[in-house]
Amino acid sequence: GAGVSQSPSNKVTEKGKDVELRCDPISGHTALYWYRQSLGQGLEFLIYFQGNSAPDKSGLPSDRFSAERTGGSVSTLTIQRTQQEDSAVYLCASSLSEGGVSPLHFGNGTRLTVT
Amino acid sequence: DAKTTQPPSMDCAEGRAANLPCNHSTISGNEYVYWYRQIHSQGPQYIIHGLKNNETNEMASLIITEDRKSSTLILPHATLRDTAVYYCIVRVAGVQASGTYKYIFGTGTRLKVLA
Repeated sequence: GAGVSQSPSNKVTEKGKDVELRCDPISGHTALYWYRQSLGQGLEFLIYFQGNSAPDKSGLPSDRFSAERTGGSVSTLTIQRTQQEDSAVYLCASSLSEGGVSPLHFGNGTRLTVT
Repeated sequence: DAKTTQPPSMDCAEGRAANLPCNHSTISGNEYVYWYRQIHSQGPQYIIHGLKNNETNEMASLIITEDRKSSTLILPHATLRDTAVYYCIVRVAGVQASGTYKYIFGTGTRLKVLA
């Protein structure tokens, strides 16, 4: 079946521009997570959604970062006025529910390069 | 901060068993141990999870010590395609207390399977 889909797979943007990254979770998955992975580093948690609500946005690195989720499905991560330090792979994951032991299913990420 | 400790790298000969250790000495009674792996340029892939009993699936076996302070992921017959970074994570399942929904990924173990 279809897994988590992220688009675009690669994005090159100029410093100062805004970017939108999209995540299509697995159908029926109510929990959705965004992570960031810089080159050679581990995964940095950004934000988590349960349905359309984000109980905790404290992982977002600055107020230039925002995310929303609509219809309990698609999520968009927006980075305003991009900086070079925003360059990373942005990973989205979904799971069947927040409770229980259902594991995360990850997409292959969006590689963002800010020039 | 990651609540698990893993060696940064390991080598394993092709066809041999790969045994990847993880220390989680502060694990709570209701925290599960999850293992994921990340192959270059892909999102992390779920492998296996367990609470206290040893677990086995088509990918791997998970051995958890009786005191649950450590575990070992076993790939019984490693292949070149198992070369990846392996992450060990502990997480509460069921109803989440505040802030515990995050899957915290450390830097993992970089496993290299040698021909």
